[in-house]
Amino acid sequence: RKEVEQDPGPFNVPEGATVAFNCTYSNSASQSFFWYRQDCRKEPKLLMSVYSSGNEDGRFTAQLNRASQYISLLIRDSKLSDSATYLCVMDTGRRALTFGSGTRLQVQP
Amino acid sequence: ETGVTQSPTHLIKTRGQQVTLRCSSQSGHNTVSWYQQALGQGPQFIFQYYREEENGRGNFPPRFSGLQFPNYSSELNVNALELDDSALYLCASSPWGTNSPLHFGNGTRLTVT
Repeated sequence: RKEVEQDPGPFNVPEGATVAFNCTYSNSASQSFFWYRQDCRKEPKLLMSVYSSGNEDGRFTAQLNRASQYISLLIRDSKLSDSATYLCVMDTGRRALTFGSGTRLQVQP
Repeated sequence: ETGVTQSPTHLIKTRGQQVTLRCSSQSGHNTVSWYQQALGQGPQFIFQYYREEENGRGNFPPRFSGLQFPNYSSELNVNALELDDSALYLCASSPWGTNSPLHFGNGTRLTVT
């Protein structure tokens, strides 16, 4: 079993839609969690950190559920520019990040 | 303030050859981490360098080795290249002892034929 599991997608949604991604992790010692965004053939870029209390950054909302060991990302009012692969990431505190395989989002006009 | 820079951006090698990839860390960052991202997969941790020594290693064979220099820049060396080594190699730097998110360089795309 992979340490971080994500639905690979692709998620094909129309502009303006709300889309949610989930991610599960197996290492209960994980301390920090992040969502990264990766455009085709580019490096991953930090989208946002994830906290148990939930956090919001504009149209993006991230949530961590430690009891169930899952992380979510909600994107509201999808834009064409949101099309990318979204990577769920955890850090066990040793600075060796563990990435999921990514979920691909395609926003269509 | 410059971010993490990597060179070269693209590289083509033949199976069995050796390759060296380079990474310049962000100003003030003394820790460098290397990741391998195969097509369709998430990045996988190779190793981390701090104070010019390896400080943590992922599930990669010894033919993957590295160096860190006094100016904190780093090299990743891969010997006896295999076809499966074809991937995007990513470098990230950070200050030691922080939990701040990692920021990656643009990566080096290695193709082994």
